[in-house]
Formats: sequence, C-alpha cells, structure tokens
Amino acid sequence: DQQVKQNSPSLSVQEGRISILNCDYTNSMFDYFLWYKKYPAEGPTFLISISSIKDKNEDGRFTVFLNKSAKHLSLHIVPSQPGDSAVYFCAASKRNYGQNFVFGPGTRLSVLP
Amino acid sequence: DAGVTQSPTHLIKTRGQQVTLRCSPKSGHDTVSWYQQALGQGPQFIFQYYEEEERQRGNFPDRFSGHQFPNYSSELNVNALLLGDSALYLCASSLGEVNQPQHFGDGTRLSIL
Repeated sequence: DQQVKQNSPSLSVQEGRISILNCDYTNSMFDYFLWYKKYPAEGPTFLISISSIKDKNEDGRFTVFLNKSAKHLSLHIVPSQPGDSAVYFCAASKRNYGQNFVFGPGTRLSVLP
Repeated sequence: DAGVTQSPTHLIKTRGQQVTLRCSPKSGHDTVSWYQQALGQGPQFIFQYYEEEERQRGNFPDRFSGHQFPNYSSELNVNALLLGDSALYLCASSLGEVNQPQHFGDGTRLSIL
C-alpha cells in the first residue's frame, strides 16, 4: 500500500520555464511534508518543507503548495535551470509518530537547455 | 561543518553473511535514521535511534538491527544476508524534535552475490 505517490516517473521542461512536480498521499494523519532532490551517487538533499498548518511555503526559486482536502502537494521551480535536473522525492510524516518519513517513488526532472 | 558521513561507500557480500554499516551524523544532530533504497524506488524507513535507543521501526525483519553510540554515531547490522538485501542504505540525521528535516549521507551501496 503506497501511502505517498508520485504518479509521473519523469518530466522534461525547457530551461527558464516552470517545473511542477506533483505528489499525492493517502494517510490523513500526515502533517509534515518535505521535498528532496537526489543526484546520482549522492544522498537526497533537503529542498523545502511545509507543515499542515500552511498551504504554501517559498524559498527562492522553490515553492511548495499543500492542498489538504485533496491530499495533494506540488513543488514549483521557477525559473528551471539545467542544474535542477535530478530525481525529486516527496516525503511525509506524522507528528505523533516521530520523524520517520514515508517517501514517494520519485520523479526524474530533466531541464533542457 | 561536516555533514552526514557513511562508510563504506560500496560493499560486496555473499548470501548468509553479515554486514555492518556505519554513520556519523551532522554536527549538532542527535537522531539517526536508516533507510533502504531499492533501484527505482524511494527510500524505505528501517529504524530510528535517539538517546541510544531504537525509537521507531519500519516494516523490516529482526535480521536488521542497529546501535547508537554516546557520540550519536550509529551502526546498521544485517544478518543472514539475502539477495533481496541488495540496495543503497542511507543514513539520515536530524534534531530530536518534531517537524525537523532529515539530512542524508551519500549512502552505502550493498551488493549481495
């Protein structure tokens, strides 16, 4: 039973345009969400997080939106750069159960010059 | 400021053997979590250590065990290795508080022959 889903295995975007990566979750107990970026042969790098008391969080070119009623979150990257090409993971956790994160399967983003 | 470090980077074992993987957390972090990442999937939570005790455990058999030392470093032990244990093993550290992002090492690639 996959509690965190990323239904697009891959996404290609032109440099300078917006990249939108989507994530859906099934467990309504999740209240803290993160996005990680992973390059080959490296560990995941933390990008941005959002707690369930918010519906938007921004950090530079990265914005995460949370729609609790739809159990959906998205990561927007504007403008996209070739260095953003990587695998992006969505992760979720439940406050009362510590910080063990449930990860989605990832979306491979390719930003084309 | 050293991030999360893991050793070794690669390891080859045969079925039935035992393995120990090591992790040093990011400076200032007191909580260590271990994840298994199979090819093409997101990381799966194995367990988490805080104050030298296992605080959370995912859906992994007892063959997977761990330890945390007073300096917060940690070991992951796997006994009676199976072919299916071949994966990237990731260590993540964080502060032992709610809603804190986890910071990952580059992982240990374990191959079982």
